[in-house]
Amino acid sequence: AQSVTQLGSHVSVSEGALVLLRCNYSSSVPPYLFWYVQYPNQGLQLLLKYTSAATLVKGINGFEAEFKKSETSFHLTKPSAHMSDAAEYFCAVSDSVSYGKLTFGQGTILTVHP
Amino acid sequence: DADVTQTPRNRITKTGKRIMLECSQTKGHDRMYWYRQDPGLGLRLIYYSFDVKDINKGEISDGYSVSRQAQAKFSLSLESAIPNQTALYFCATSQIGGPDTDTQYFGPGTRLTVL
Repeated sequence: AQSVTQLGSHVSVSEGALVLLRCNYSSSVPPYLFWYVQYPNQGLQLLLKYTSAATLVKGINGFEAEFKKSETSFHLTKPSAHMSDAAEYFCAVSDSVSYGKLTFGQGTILTVHP
Repeated sequence: DADVTQTPRNRITKTGKRIMLECSQTKGHDRMYWYRQDPGLGLRLIYYSFDVKDINKGEISDGYSVSRQAQAKFSLSLESAIPNQTALYFCATSQIGGPDTDTQYFGPGTRLTVL
């Protein structure tokens, strides 16, 4: 079964600084990888999705993620943080055996300081 | 209008009570899911349904049951609620085929407190 590890349960950056949220998946390459964002008191919203068409995936709100097979990673980045980026971010992978199921990481809470 | 709705949004109940959480969707998706979210644990799958006649247990199904009343409706029940079922519960939907394959769309969540 797939597993996902998000390094760092809390990340704090200053407004305008680079955002880097880390995600590693287990060794077998999953069909799809996702990043979701959860704003306070809301459900999860899709940020971006990797489908093997391109290793660099661009998402909404200026976020992007790069799939690196050699490192089993799918880290999320944004060049310049905005106050409105403060939220919890989840990495998820689909199950290559039972399509349709997603396995989520533990989540990373992003705080943005003025 | 939201594509995935959950009722109630908040519920406080007592130990031993039976609780039902409801989920409806207008996306036309065949697949529906129930998750619970606990701080530091991410989302864990309780049950999932790939169509009306197909219901499967997730990783933490003990103490829960579900009913898929129609393609658009998927309910989660706690037969006898206990305090450690206090959590945020999410419903999600997805479809197979096309660029949206496996992408799950989430409802706004139900915050359940069991006293």
